Amino acid sequence: EDQVTQSPEALRLQEGESSSLNCSYTVSGLRGLFWYRQDPGKGPEFLFTLYSAGEEKEKERLKATLTKKESFLHITAPKPEDSATYLCAVEKTGGSYIPTFGRGTSLIVHP
Amino acid sequence: ETGVTQSPTHLIKTRGQQVTLRCSSQSGHNTVSWYQQALGQGPQFIFQYYREEENGRGNFPPRFSGLQFPNYSSELNVNALELDDSALYLCASTPGGRGGNEQFFGPGTRLTVL
Repeated sequence: EDQVTQSPEALRLQEGESSSLNCSYTVSGLRGLFWYRQDPGKGPEFLFTLYSAGEEKEKERLKATLTKKESFLHITAPKPEDSATYLCAVEKTGGSYIPTFGRGTSLIVHP
Repeated sequence: ETGVTQSPTHLIKTRGQQVTLRCSSQSGHNTVSWYQQALGQGPQFIFQYYREEENGRGNFPPRFSGLQFPNYSSELNVNALELDDSALYLCASTPGGRGGNEQFFGPGTRLTVL
């Protein structure tokens, strides 16, 4: 069974304090791994797609990396506006194009 | 390019009632997926439609049903509402109808079942 596990469940940082969020996955064949940001009461907002181990993508203070078993979302010098829940989803090869989401990491950045 | 919209934003129903939630996808996005998100959880896949045909279904009972229309709109119907159906319902559209693409989510409909 496909599994996506995100850790930690919650993370509190001070402004400027860099850290990483983890997404571990178990899937028979990976088509793509997705990172989304979700603000309270809103729909998820797409951040990155990673397709193969070793791939990295960056956007402002965020950098996503991928290995064969996990992905990291690195947050460099975070600001309070980076506070949100970060969701990871994986889509496997073959069959329907249906992503499996993790439960997310709730990030709070204090000024 | 307009985003994904959903209506209504909030809805309160009583147990046993039926509800229809609506979604308008981005133009050209042939695939729409519906998710249920309980508080503190990740989105759980309900079903997906590609060019008006159901293209996959998650572990939800038949009282959850859907339709997709040619004008990129879709709806989620839930019959015989239960208390556990209270959640944020999200629709998401995908360009091209093929995998490996990011999904564009709507703002969701918050359903409360009393």
